[in-house]
Amino acid sequence: AQSVAQPEDQVNVAEGNPLTVKCTYSVSGNPYLFWYVQYPNRGLQFLLKYITGDNLVKGSYGFEAEFNKSQTSFHLKKPSALVSDSALYFCAVRDGGGGFKTIFGAGTRLFVKA
Amino acid sequence: DTGVSQDPRHKITKRGQNVTFRCDPISEHNRLYWYRQTLGQGPEFLTYFQNEAQLEKSRLLSDRFSAERPKGSFSTLEIQRTEQGDSAMYLCASSDSGQGALDGYTFGSGTRLTVV
Repeated sequence: AQSVAQPEDQVNVAEGNPLTVKCTYSVSGNPYLFWYVQYPNRGLQFLLKYITGDNLVKGSYGFEAEFNKSQTSFHLKKPSALVSDSALYFCAVRDGGGGFKTIFGAGTRLFVKA
Repeated sequence: DTGVSQDPRHKITKRGQNVTFRCDPISEHNRLYWYRQTLGQGPEFLTYFQNEAQLEKSRLLSDRFSAERPKGSFSTLEIQRTEQGDSAMYLCASSDSGQGALDGYTFGSGTRLTVV
């Protein structure tokens, strides 16, 4: 069975500084990995995905994520944080071996201070 | 197409009553998912449809829960004899198949259920 761990409940960063939100996963087949963002009173929005290929994937709003197979990690990054990036971020995994469902982590709340 | 629509946005019900939620996915999407999200947690998978066929159902889904997608378009999620523990946000998502099968989901805004 697949699972996702987001070890930090909350990440605080100053505006303009780089940010990292951590994610590790467990899956029996090849992992399909995703990041979603949830703003207050809004639905989940897809940010980016890793399916295959280059380990560094780029997504919406300047975010990127790095896939590391040996560490089973898929950390979300942004070179320069904005106050408007403050939101709840979810890492998710699907088993590329044939599963249909996507499993989500518990989420990490990002606070960006001006 | 305005995305995934869910109705109602909020529902307050008394314990023991039945409730039904509706989800209208993006029209081109033949895959539809239901998730449940409680405060401080990530979305938990409930069930999945491809067209009208319900292909997977979580063990989280007790016999009080049933979902349908009769014509492969909209879907309904019914909870019978509601309990306070059913209070949560119920999320619907849809996705394409084929080349789009590996894209992320498009989520609706959810239905917030409060059981009193």
